[in-house]
Amino acid sequence: EVQLVESGGVVVQPGGSLRLSCAASGFTFDDYVMHWVRQAPGKGLEWVSLISWDGGSTYYADSVKGRFTISRDNSKNSLYLQVNSLRVEDTALYYCAKDKGFKEGYFDNWGQGTLVTVSS
Amino acid sequence: EIVLTQSPATLSLSPGERATLSCRASQSVSSYLAWYQQKPGQAPRLLIYDASSRATGIPARFSGSGSGTDFTLTISSLEPEDFAVYYCQQRSNWPLFTFGPGTKVDIK
Repeated sequence: EVQLVESGGVVVQPGGSLRLSCAASGFTFDDYVMHWVRQAPGKGLEWVSLISWDGGSTYYADSVKGRFTISRDNSKNSLYLQVNSLRVEDTALYYCAKDKGFKEGYFDNWGQGTLVTVSS
Repeated sequence: EIVLTQSPATLSLSPGERATLSCRASQSVSSYLAWYQQKPGQAPRLLIYDASSRATGIPARFSGSGSGTDFTLTISSLEPEDFAVYYCQQRSNWPLFTFGPGTKVDIK
């Protein structure tokens, strides 16, 4: 059974930084592209970032480009999101999601999310 | 950016009724469209991908259709567990994925 467990969400002041983690199990982690998707409270879904199976390619939504960095450690079956220069509008539940296949761009397994609150 | 619009915003139906949800893209996404279901307090679940293919374990009462700019998710007969928010998502403009704003299916 695929399991994705996020952690690292906290309350942080504007301009602050933190690192989100996602521990994966139940599948061959380094066979898949991985994503971060976020959802502001009471709002819809927003794709944030993706990383290729080997970490060699990364992509970001324009809203986070230059502030967020996605990475992975295949030896630890783990995905990360370093978030810097946080803004109030970055407040959201951050989901780790597995790509359905090799670069398919659909999200077939999701974690339960980790909440990032940006507030002074 | 490809913008997805969903209609209606809310659909009020009774168990056993047929639900028809619409998703329209601002430009053609071919068949590269997915549907997700999200219940309160839960993560989204993939229902349909490539416009009409059911994801693993999804009941046959869920079906998807359409191509280009107009897509439909149909739930043939609503079960109590189907009352939720439904999102469409495109992957045509890889990797700039976008979601629609969602349609809430609630109990009439």
